[in-house]
Order: sequence, then C-alpha cells, then structure tokens
Amino acid sequence: AQSVTQPDIHITVSEGASLELRCNYSYGATPYLFWYVQSPGQGLQLLLKYFSGDTLVQGIKGFEAEFKRSQSSFNLRKPSVHWSDAAEYFCAVGLGGSQGNLIFGKGTKLSVKP
Amino acid sequence: SAVISQKPSRDICQRGTSLTIQCQVDSQVTMMFWYRQQPGQSLTLIATANQGSEATYESGFVIDKFPISRPNLTFSTLTVSNMSPEDSSIYLCSGQGDYGYTFGSGTRLTVV
Repeated sequence: AQSVTQPDIHITVSEGASLELRCNYSYGATPYLFWYVQSPGQGLQLLLKYFSGDTLVQGIKGFEAEFKRSQSSFNLRKPSVHWSDAAEYFCAVGLGGSQGNLIFGKGTKLSVKP
Repeated sequence: SAVISQKPSRDICQRGTSLTIQCQVDSQVTMMFWYRQQPGQSLTLIATANQGSEATYESGFVIDKFPISRPNLTFSTLTVSNMSPEDSSIYLCSGQGDYGYTFGSGTRLTVV
C-alpha cells in the first residue's frame, strides 16, 4: 500500500538557520509529490509540487524540495528560516488518475527560536 | 488555481445532532474529496465525492455517518451525523483539477 513517512515529529531551529524536513514515500511508480504548510487554526497552503522533470523544485516563501528516486525521498529545504515559518508541514503523495486523492504523512511541527 | 470556500469555519455542537459542511469551488474541478484531521493528527481521507452519484468511502467511514452530496462540479456537502465527542476534528474539502489540488480552509468541529 502507498504510504508517506515523515520521520521527524517536531523540529526546532534558530531563526536564520537552515532547515531540512524529511519525507519518504512508498509507491511502485513515480507519484505526484507535494509539500503543504498549515499554520495554527488555518487550512493547508501548497508550498510546492513535483510531477515530473527537474528534480529540484522551487516553491513559495523560499522553500525548495528535491526528488530523489533512488531514495524514494522528497525532502523540503530552506536556507534561512524566518520566525513566520513556524507551522506544521505535511508531505503528500498523489497517485493521479481515478485514485486522485492525496495520502499525507503525519506531519512535522516546526518551531523557530529567536 | 481554484479557490474553495468552506463553511462554517467552526462550530460547537451537541452530541446526537448533525452538522452539514459546505464547499463551493470558484471553478469546475474533476474530483472533490473530504478529509478529517483529528487533533494533533494528519489528514485522513473520508471519501471521494462523485458528481451526481454516491460518494466512494474509505475503509472505516460509512455513508450513514458521513453522507456526502455533490450535485454539480463546483459544490459539495459533508454531513456529520449523530455526532459524538470522538467526531471533534477539523474537516477539510479538496478539489482536484488541472492545476493540482486545492483545499478549503477547514471546519473546526467540537462536539460537547
């Protein structure tokens, strides 16, 4: 069965430090890959997505993610974290076609120290 | 990308009652989905809302508890029936189109 693993439940980084959030997926083919951010009491905002092509994807708010087929990973990165980045981050896999729903990881909560 | 208006944004309901959540999309989407996010948890798919026909439910979710309608390509409702405190969650709708996926802002439901 398809699955998404985010191994880090909670990460704390200092403001200005770099960030990497891990995501691994289990699927037989190349899925559609997404990163969403959810601020407290808010809905989901799409940060970036990968469908095909260049494996390094640029998103909003200075985020990027790299698809590595050999590692079944799609890790999210940001070179310099801002206090406003504190939120919950979800990695998701979309299977496409008639199985159009997304499968979400359990999320990683990011805290930012001043 | 499409914009989804979801309402209500939050509600506090008595156990045993029902609540209907509405989602309106500003453009046609091919598929619509309903998710549940229990406190501190990730999103779990409840069902796929099919236009003009019965929704397709995931394991653990049944139509009697979560009836869903989708009368056209831009509108869907989810009803949480005979609520209990265990139904306290955030419920989100999602639309899939050529642009990818978009989500409503969620309905935060508290059952007392």
